Amino acid sequence: AQTVTQSQPEMSVQEAETVTLSCTYDTSESDYYLFWYKQPPSRQMILVIRQEAYKQQNATENRFSVNFQKAAKSFSLKISDSQLGDAAMYFCAYVGSFRASGTYKYIFGTGTRLKVLA
Amino acid sequence: DGGITQSPKYLFRKEGQNVTLSCEQNLNHDAMYWYRQDPGQGLRLIYYSQIVNDFQKGDIAEGYSVSREKKESFPLTVTSAQKNPTAFYLCASSGRSYNSPLHFGNGTRLTVT
Repeated sequence: AQTVTQSQPEMSVQEAETVTLSCTYDTSESDYYLFWYKQPPSRQMILVIRQEAYKQQNATENRFSVNFQKAAKSFSLKISDSQLGDAAMYFCAYVGSFRASGTYKYIFGTGTRLKVLA
Repeated sequence: DGGITQSPKYLFRKEGQNVTLSCEQNLNHDAMYWYRQDPGQGLRLIYYSQIVNDFQKGDIAEGYSVSREKKESFPLTVTSAQKNPTAFYLCASSGRSYNSPLHFGNGTRLTVT
């Protein structure tokens, strides 16, 4: 079974600095997608960035980028120039292709709470 | 604007009562999901549905029931059999392809006393 692990329950970063959130996963599939979601205090889940396993190039969205290491099954999120509005819970998620049933199941990590210090 | 609407935002019930959480989407998505969120446990899948009139149990389906009579709607009933119903519930939807990201509603906070 697939698993997603976020080993950092909480992280802190100074405003304008860079922080990296870790995520590792376990799977025997070769084709899958990985996502990072942000959940601010409002508790609305917001998609931050996505990465397809077949693409070697790391995804980037403005100040957010990933370091995708397929062989190591690692998918870390880097936030550059951190802002107060980046303070939130961040969840790493995996989805693969379950062809037998035709259904797709997203698997989430337990989250990392990011604090941004002014 | 397209999106997912969950209602109500806060819900209070007495122990032993069934309660239904509403989830409606106008994104024309085929798949819909219900997640439960507890502190320190991330999101756990309760039920999901890929097409109308069909749904599957997730990891923690006991004490919950769902229906999918319309593509737009996927209500969740928390029954009296659910031992610890107090939690934050999130509804989500996604497109047909597995690379379609989940779109979430704003959630419902259920408190049972």
